[in-house]
Amino acid sequence: EDQVTQSPEALRLQEGESSSLNCSYTVSGLRGLFWYRQDPGKGPEFLFTLYSAGEEKEKERLKATLTKKESFLHITAPKPEDSATYLCAVQGYSGGGADGLTFGKGTHLIIQP
Amino acid sequence: ETGVTQSPTHLIKTRGQQVTLRCSSQSGHNTVSWYQQALGQGPQFIFQYYREEENGRGNFPPRFSGLQFPNYSSELNVNALELDDSALYLCASSLDKTGGGAEAFFGQGTRLTVV
Repeated sequence: EDQVTQSPEALRLQEGESSSLNCSYTVSGLRGLFWYRQDPGKGPEFLFTLYSAGEEKEKERLKATLTKKESFLHITAPKPEDSATYLCAVQGYSGGGADGLTFGKGTHLIIQP
Repeated sequence: ETGVTQSPTHLIKTRGQQVTLRCSSQSGHNTVSWYQQALGQGPQFIFQYYREEENGRGNFPPRFSGLQFPNYSSELNVNALELDDSALYLCASSLDKTGGGAEAFFGQGTRLTVV
């Protein structure tokens, strides 16, 4: 069974204070690892897909990296508008049928001005 | 804007009733998935439809069922509602049969409250 654990559960930073969010995963065979951002009461917003260890992707102040056991979402010089819950999800291979995404519980990030 | 729209946005139902939630997928996407997200939790996979047939299911009982239509719309039906069914229900569309690592784009969700 695929599993995703995110840490920390919550993180409060000052504006401009860089940090990293962790996503540890176990999966039978990795099709893809996904990062989403979710604002309160809204659906998840797609950020990145990573497919293999060593891969990195960047978007504005966010950078996602992937190893064989974990992924990091690095946030550089964050702004208050980066406050949200960040969700990590994996999709693995199964013997048959389609696999949905397995999500972690998310990291609730607050950026204080 | 993902192009995925869900209706209604909020809904209150009584325990034991039945509910139908609707989703309009992004144009051209052949796969739709449904997720349940309880408060403070990550979304949980309910099932997936590809070309109008269910081709994957998570750990949910048969009273959760669905339909996908040729016009990129889909439905989630839940029978015999229980209090624990109260959650945000999310629809996601993608362009792939089994996902294959393809990105899933989510709608804004339907908040269901069972009383």
